[in-house]
Amino acid sequence: AQTVTQSQPEMSVQEAETVTLSCTYDTSESDYYLFWYKQPPSRQMILVIRQEAYKQQNATENRFSVNFQKAAKSFSLKISDSQLGDAAMYFCAYNFGNEKLTFGTGTRLTIIP
Amino acid sequence: NAGVTQTPKFQVLKTGQSMTLQCAQDMNHEYMSWYRQDPGMGLRLIHYSVGAGITDQGEVPNGYNVSRSTTEDFPLRLLSAAPSQTSVYFCASRRLGDRSDTQYFGPGTRLTVL
Repeated sequence: AQTVTQSQPEMSVQEAETVTLSCTYDTSESDYYLFWYKQPPSRQMILVIRQEAYKQQNATENRFSVNFQKAAKSFSLKISDSQLGDAAMYFCAYNFGNEKLTFGTGTRLTIIP
Repeated sequence: NAGVTQTPKFQVLKTGQSMTLQCAQDMNHEYMSWYRQDPGMGLRLIHYSVGAGITDQGEVPNGYNVSRSTTEDFPLRLLSAAPSQTSVYFCASRRLGDRSDTQYFGPGTRLTVL
């Protein structure tokens, strides 16, 4: 069975600093997608960034970037220049051939002013 | 374009009561799904559907029923509520066949079973 592991239940970072959230996954598939979702206190799930397994280049969206290590099955999220609005739960998710998303348990990120 | 809507936003039930959580989307998405979110557990898939008349079980289907009579609607039924079903429930949808596409989530329903 495919599993997604987020080993950091909570993280904190000073405003304007950089933080990295970890995610590892277990799969025997070769073609899949990985996502990071943000869930602020409003509960709304918001897509932050996505990565296709076949693409070697790491995805980047403004201040958010990933470090995708396919052989190590690692998919970490780096947030640069952290802002107060980045405070949220962050979920890593994995999608393979049967359309279903499998989520990790989440990391709660606190931004220290 | 309202996206994915869910009703109600909050609900309190007594053990043994039944209820239906409503979910609707106006994006003509074939794929719809229900998740529950519990502290420390992330989001877990309850049921999903790849089109009208087609449903299948996810990771935690026990105690829940679904049906898909139209493309737009995907209600989740609790037949006899139990305290273990206290959770936040999310409905999501996306286009079928494009696994790179994000799932669009509703705002969630917080359910408490006493």
